[in-house]
Amino acid sequence: NAGVTQTPKFRVLKTGQSMTLLCAQDMNHEYMYWYRQDPGMGLRLIHYSVGEGTTAKGEVPDGYNVSRLKKQNFLLGLESAAPSQTSVYFCASTGLAGVTDTQYFGPGTRLTVL
Amino acid sequence: GENVEQHPSTLSVQEGDSAVIKCTYSDSASNYFPWYKQELGKRPQLIIDIRSNVGEKKDQRIAVTLNKTAKHFSLHITETQPEDSAVYFCAASIPLDMRFGAGTRLTVKP
Repeated sequence: NAGVTQTPKFRVLKTGQSMTLLCAQDMNHEYMYWYRQDPGMGLRLIHYSVGEGTTAKGEVPDGYNVSRLKKQNFLLGLESAAPSQTSVYFCASTGLAGVTDTQYFGPGTRLTVL
Repeated sequence: GENVEQHPSTLSVQEGDSAVIKCTYSDSASNYFPWYKQELGKRPQLIIDIRSNVGEKKDQRIAVTLNKTAKHFSLHITETQPEDSAVYFCAASIPLDMRFGAGTRLTVKP
């Protein structure tokens, strides 16, 4: 039981490049989330999903897209990376009750956009 | 949307002393208040949480209190140890919308 995993762990992009971050969970959780963490700002919700095939915008969705084609996977895409998207990205999942239940975080992806 | 403020941003205590971190929130609909500990380069880990129908919760050296009327909640760590050194985040949540405080860097000096 690996919990929540993320790939890659690190990535460096040039401005304008695209990439996809993968989050996978093996806990059969319905709800999955993508956050970004910037120094001194805590975590901010980018997008979330309440189940396979569904996605919704969070607090800071601009410049990102997501997909949840399989229940265990939640993908975060950057179509045209910008330096402002340099951050640490965390994926999380919860079980039955959404955010009123414990959120389990992945190990994070450190992204640098030059 | 919800706005969570956390104080202090840094806190330094002597080993064995107590540490208190305070958070305020703006949305009276928030009903779930977790606290996370994050060590350098690691993922946030839940250390304790409280729901809106409870005023206080304790787990060994850690306790959380909630005042819904005043919209504030606090984390109390007693008998601090060097391994308690980390960044602590509070959060306030309505369903599917969790907002985090900016974090408190706690340093416990041996």
